[in-house]
Amino acid sequence: AAGVIQSPRHLIKEKRETATLKCYPIPRHDTVYWYQQGPGQDPQFLISFYEKMQSDKGSIPDRFSAQQFSDYHSELNMSSLELGDSALYFCASSLGPGTVASKQYFGPGTRLTVT
Amino acid sequence: QKEVEQNSGPLSVPEGAIASLNCTYSDRVSQSFFWYRQYSGKSPELIMSIYSNGDKEDGRFTAQLNKASQYVSLLIRDSQPSDSATYLCAGGGSGGGADGLTFGKGTHLIIQP
Repeated sequence: AAGVIQSPRHLIKEKRETATLKCYPIPRHDTVYWYQQGPGQDPQFLISFYEKMQSDKGSIPDRFSAQQFSDYHSELNMSSLELGDSALYFCASSLGPGTVASKQYFGPGTRLTVT
Repeated sequence: QKEVEQNSGPLSVPEGAIASLNCTYSDRVSQSFFWYRQYSGKSPELIMSIYSNGDKEDGRFTAQLNKASQYVSLLIRDSQPSDSATYLCAGGGSGGGADGLTFGKGTHLIIQP
């Protein structure tokens, strides 16, 4: 079965540079979520989109922004990168909201290293 | 204050035995819960979801939810070495189906051959 696709899989940037991460959800999924996972940490929710509108917001820094496009793919834009932004970034997708929380399926992640 | 709590382990279980993983949650977390398995350096893989009080079984896995005690558990029967991983308990948001998940810190499970 098709899974969530993320690109790039690895990214190396210098401090103060910008980065753009892309996420392509599972076909027919209309909701995407972004998570950040630091070394030895649990995934931290950043932001989610449903039908191209921001749905929920977590601990996303002001330097980060994201959007969802008409084909449901999403991009996470990160500016003024800091060393502490080095982490695994996961995108997850699900079917739209229902009466209970939707099952979220995670992509393989993008490993961002800031030097 | 963390809203989902797990014992970080490691939890060591002999091959073929039952592994029992536990999780507690605060009132702010919704009544929807998920168990994910994560191998080192890989992405979380959805194992089980549970929304109602009681047990839910899927193959070798059984999830249990007790809302009165704010307690969620995952049982893995006939544990295999390939089950060795970190198991993450997650609660859905309180605002609806598109909310982000709140994860516990995960329990590191080791299945001894």
